[in-house]
Order: sequence, then structure tokens, then C-alpha cells
Amino acid sequence: ILNVEQSPQSLHVQEGDSTNFTCSFPSSNFYALHWYRWETAKSPEALFVMTLNGDEKKKGRISATLNTKEGYSYLYIKGSQPEDSATYLCAFRGAYKLSFGAGTTVTVRA
Amino acid sequence: ETGVTQTPRHLVMGMTNKKSLKCEQHLGHNAMYWYKQSAKKPLELMFVYSLEERVENNSVPSRFSPECPNSSHLFLHLHTLQPEDSALYLCASSQDAGAAKNIQYFGAGTRLSVL
Repeated sequence: ILNVEQSPQSLHVQEGDSTNFTCSFPSSNFYALHWYRWETAKSPEALFVMTLNGDEKKKGRISATLNTKEGYSYLYIKGSQPEDSATYLCAFRGAYKLSFGAGTTVTVRA
Repeated sequence: ETGVTQTPRHLVMGMTNKKSLKCEQHLGHNAMYWYKQSAKKPLELMFVYSLEERVENNSVPSRFSPECPNSSHLFLHLHTLQPEDSALYLCASSQDAGAAKNIQYFGAGTRLSVL
């Protein structure tokens, strides 16, 4: 069983503030790191796939970084908006399959 | 709309019932997946199909029986389930099962309650 840990489990952010949270994963047999965004009652949707150490990806106000040597990735939300409220899942892709973390649930307060 | 449709969205069944979950993808993908999410736990991979052939069976009890009649459809047949099987069941698809960069497209899930 692969250990993919996300912290914190949940956080509350004031509208307009920026925030970030962590995904840690095994540093061996690394193939890719996926981030998904999951809004309540909807389907999880892919945000980023990162494969190279030092990779940075950006989509609007959301960005992510990757450190494969130490086994962590950060997701950043800049200037949080109510529509950013969701659970953010990371998933470690080893040789054969995705192993998911339990997610960080972000609630943006207006 | 992700192109992956799951039915039903909600299902309540008794422990002696037999029911089936259905998943359909309109994306032309070759790989399909079943995941289980129990409360506050990570998504747990159950089965993987690639080109209609099962390539992964993640130590799932035999009371869960998958079926993939073609690359667009995936079923999960349920029989004599236990209350601890109550969970959200998600279906996903991807271009193929092998490439690490291929993202998975998820359905909205079936919320299953076993009484």
C-alpha cells in the first residue's frame, strides 16, 4: 500500500486570501503526480499532471510545484474565490496505477 | 460534463439483493476503472480494464463482479453485499492504462447504501 498523504485535511480561507497545501508521496518508483479538483456532487476533474522534478504548472489562479527527490508537491491558490471551494486530491502514479491521497477540502468564505 | 456517465446516482439495497452499477464513456478511451471511496478515506482502486480485458483486480471480494462488454461500457455487479460496502463508487476512463501522464476522467459516482 503506497502512502500518499495530504495536509491539512481541511482549511478555511477568506475570500481574496491565498493558500497552499501539501501532498507527500514515495520518492521511489515515481512516474507522475496528478492533481484533481472535486466539487461536491460533481466528478473529480484533472488540474495538473507533473512528471519532472522541479516542474511547475499553472492554471489561472491555481499553481503546483513538484519535488520528486523529497517526495512532495504543493498546490497554491492565489486570491481565493468562493468557486475554489472543493476537495483537492493528489495521486501518485507509480509503475501501474494511481494511488490517491485523502484530499484537502478547501472552503472559501465570502 | 466529463463524458463519463454513471447510473444510478443513488442506490439502496438489502444484503440479499443483486444490483448492477453502470458506467458509460463517450471519449473513445481504451481503459476504464472502478474506484471505491468510503467516508474520509482515499479513493481505492478496485478494477482496471484495458481494451475490455481486466488487467487489475485489487484484492476485491468476489461479491463485486465487474464486466466490460466493450470499450465504452463498464458494469459492476453486486450481490450479497455487507453494510460496510456502503460507499461512493466512481468510474473513470483514460486513453490507455499504461501511460503515466494520461489523466483519468471520472463520472459523478453512485452513492450505495447497503441495509
